[in-house]
Order: sequence, then structure tokens, then C-alpha cells
Amino acid sequence: EDQVTQSPEALRLQEGESSSLNCSYTVSGLRGLFWYRQDPGKGPEFLFTLYSAGEEKEKERLKATLTKKESFLHITAPKPEDSATYLCAVQAGSNYQLIWGAGTKLIIKP
Amino acid sequence: KAGVTQTPRYLIKTRGQQVTLSCSPISGHRSVSWYQQTPGQGLQFLFEYFSETQRNKGNFPGRFSGRQFSNSRSEMNVSTLELGDSALYLCASRPGTGVYEQYFGPGTRLTVT
Repeated sequence: EDQVTQSPEALRLQEGESSSLNCSYTVSGLRGLFWYRQDPGKGPEFLFTLYSAGEEKEKERLKATLTKKESFLHITAPKPEDSATYLCAVQAGSNYQLIWGAGTKLIIKP
Repeated sequence: KAGVTQTPRYLIKTRGQQVTLSCSPISGHRSVSWYQQTPGQGLQFLFEYFSETQRNKGNFPGRFSGRQFSNSRSEMNVSTLELGDSALYLCASRPGTGVYEQYFGPGTRLTVT
């Protein structure tokens, strides 16, 4: 069964303390992996799409990487405004339906 | 380009009633997906429509239904509301075929009393 697992469930960091969020997947024929950020009570905001192992994408303090089994979202020198829930999803095989992880709640303390 | 819009933004209904939520996708997007999100829960997939046809369906009871119109706008309907249907309902659109990210609307907050 296709599955996406995110860890940790929650992460508390001090402002400026870099860390990584993990998204591991077991699917047949990965076609794309997506990262989103969601603020409370709002719709998820798209961040990155990764298509193949070895691919990396960056945006401000965020960098997403992809291997054959997992993806990491690296956060460098985070600020309080980076606090949010980060979600990852995959599209696999011939199915257009996205498979979602449960998310990592990130809290950055000033 | 205008983003995904959802109406209404907030809704309060009584148990046993029915409700219809509306979603207008980004111009040119032909796929619309619906999700339910409850506190502490991840995104629960309801269904996806592409070119007026349901392409995928999640594991929800038949009380949840949807449709898509020729202009790609979509509606979802929940009949015989239950207290557990209280949630944030999110709509997302993408071009349709291929591997593309979904873009989400702001959601409709449904409260069932």
C-alpha cells in the first residue's frame, strides 16, 4: 500500500537554529513529491515540487531534497514567521490522486 | 492570475441539514480536488473531478458528493449533516494531466451544531 510518513510530528526550535523535516514514502513509481506550508485555519501554500532522486530546490531559508526513499526540508536559520505545519504529498504511478503525510508542526521561538 | 476561491468561507448548520460548498479553480485548471481537515488531522481526500468526471474518490460515505461544471467550477454537497462533519473543507485545483502541484483555496469552515 502506498504510504507517506512525516517526522517528527512536532519540532520546536530557537530562532536561528537550523534543522530538517523528513518525509519518507513507499510508493510504486514516484512521479512527483510536493511540499506545502499551512498556517492555522488556512489552505496549504505550495512550496516545491521534486521529480527525481538527487533533485534539490531552494526558496529563501528552505531547501528541499529528494532521494529514492525520502525527502528532506532543510530550514536554515529559521525565524518565528517560519512557524507553520509543513505537509508533503506524492503522486505515483498512473494515479493522479496525491498521497499526503500527516504533517510536521514547526514552532520557532524568538 | 486569480487564485482558487471558495464560498462561503464560514457556515453554521444544524445536524440533519444539508450543505453545498462551492469552488472556483484557477483559470485554465481543469482538475478540482476536495479535502476535509479536522483539528489534529491531516488532509483527508474526498474526491477529484477532471473535465466534469469524477477521477478519484476517497473513503467517505455516500452523504458526501460532488460535481463539476463545464467551466471547471465545482460544488460539493453533504447531506444529513452529523456533528463529526464539522471541519475545514479545502478545494484545490491544478491543470489536469501530468504531474502538477495543487493550489489550494482558503477553505470553508463548516460547523455543525
